Amino acid sequence: GQQVMQIPQYQHVQEGEDFTTYCNSSTTLSNIQWYKQRPGGHPVFLIQLVKSGEVKKQKRLTFQFGEAKKNSSLHITATQTTDVGTYFCAGQHGYGQNFVFGPGTRLSVLP
Amino acid sequence: GAGVSQSPRYKVAKRGQDVALRCDPISGHVSLFWYQQALGQGPEFLTYFQNEAQLDKSGLPSDRFFAERPEGSVSTLKIQRTQQEDSAVYLCASSLRWGVNYNEQFFGPGTRLTVL
Repeated sequence: GQQVMQIPQYQHVQEGEDFTTYCNSSTTLSNIQWYKQRPGGHPVFLIQLVKSGEVKKQKRLTFQFGEAKKNSSLHITATQTTDVGTYFCAGQHGYGQNFVFGPGTRLSVLP
Repeated sequence: GAGVSQSPRYKVAKRGQDVALRCDPISGHVSLFWYQQALGQGPEFLTYFQNEAQLDKSGLPSDRFFAERPEGSVSTLKIQRTQQEDSAVYLCASSLRWGVNYNEQFFGPGTRLTVL
């Protein structure tokens, strides 16, 4: 079936360092979403990207959708301990189809 | 509360038992999804409802899994003759509508199922 891959699987950073996670699909996505799941919690919606080359910012978070709509990235500037959690991308391969989640990138932030 | 609720939060079943997991979506949300999340993995799609209609059940792993949403609000995921490989967190999510530019899913806290 259609898959969405994410790298890295784990990332440990010192507080204040930047963090980036990458999401890739072998086929074109109609749109992509990003979610954050805190330890012991449930996924919480962060953003949805629809257009080729789209860039959206939320405070210290920058989301990007590739020109070919096959990849996406989430970049966090100056990480804080509150950023700890697992970040998932979820791609939709066609409008109205179900979202396919990546395996996630687990972020640890050392104070 | 205004969020998605699920019950029970934890369920321990002996292998071979049947279980029923409940999801109360956000009031007025048309779309409802069930996901299975294994430890350390991303959520895997199981099934999708729009109102009471089950439009996609392609993710259900076997015919032991059955989901319903008879009145277009509360949904139940039933697993018959549970097996150890069914142990996972079962997440329910709802969405106001399912369209091109508005697909935000609101997740519930999940039900952690352990099959002994």
